[in-house]
Amino acid sequence: DADVTQTPRNRITKTGKRIMLECSQTKGHDRMYWYRQDPGLGLRLIYYSFDVKDINKGEISDGYSVSRQAQAKFSLSLESAIPNQTALYFCATSLGSGGNEETQYFGPGTRLLVL
Amino acid sequence: GNSVTQMEGPVTLSEEAFLTINCTYTATGYPSLFWYVQYPGEGLQLLLKATKADDKGSNKGFEATYRKETTSFHLEKGSVQVSDSAVYFCALIPVYNQGGKLIFGQGTELSVKP
Repeated sequence: DADVTQTPRNRITKTGKRIMLECSQTKGHDRMYWYRQDPGLGLRLIYYSFDVKDINKGEISDGYSVSRQAQAKFSLSLESAIPNQTALYFCATSLGSGGNEETQYFGPGTRLLVL
Repeated sequence: GNSVTQMEGPVTLSEEAFLTINCTYTATGYPSLFWYVQYPGEGLQLLLKATKADDKGSNKGFEATYRKETTSFHLEKGSVQVSDSAVYFCALIPVYNQGGKLIFGQGTELSVKP
């Protein structure tokens, strides 16, 4: 079984709809991240969480919110989806900082299309 | 600020050709440097990493050397295979680990033809 899973894998929604993307991990890592990938732009950080009580904004958090329900679960919500949020979304985890602990492990991604 | 710049793709090579994908970075001190690979329809996988100057990361025949003097971390492979077709991302974590944030380059698509 995959260590980092994301649901759904694909989603089509309409402008103005609320949508939630979910991420679960079995790696036992404390740190979790949400990125979005756009063609030609690489990946950009939306939100990150160091533990259940510690959530931080990344560089492009506007229009998004997150919830860390447990160490293993980190959800990303689009409160009112807009077309420029069409992208590939990745969840990632890491053990900590420094050395091998900082390596991030990625889920398979969720492809979101906002019409 | 911190940034990563990769050579633009797509890069198209014949099987068994030599591969170089250039990556340069801007950051203070000695950031950790990474190469991630994204195969079609999949998430990103760590390919290799290096954490200090002159370190060489290697995996699956790929290599990259941390060059502080040129702020570079170029990816190389001596003989590519069709199965190496993927998008390759260079990335860094700043030395002060600003929230553990990975900063990515824009990605370089590699296509290997038989």
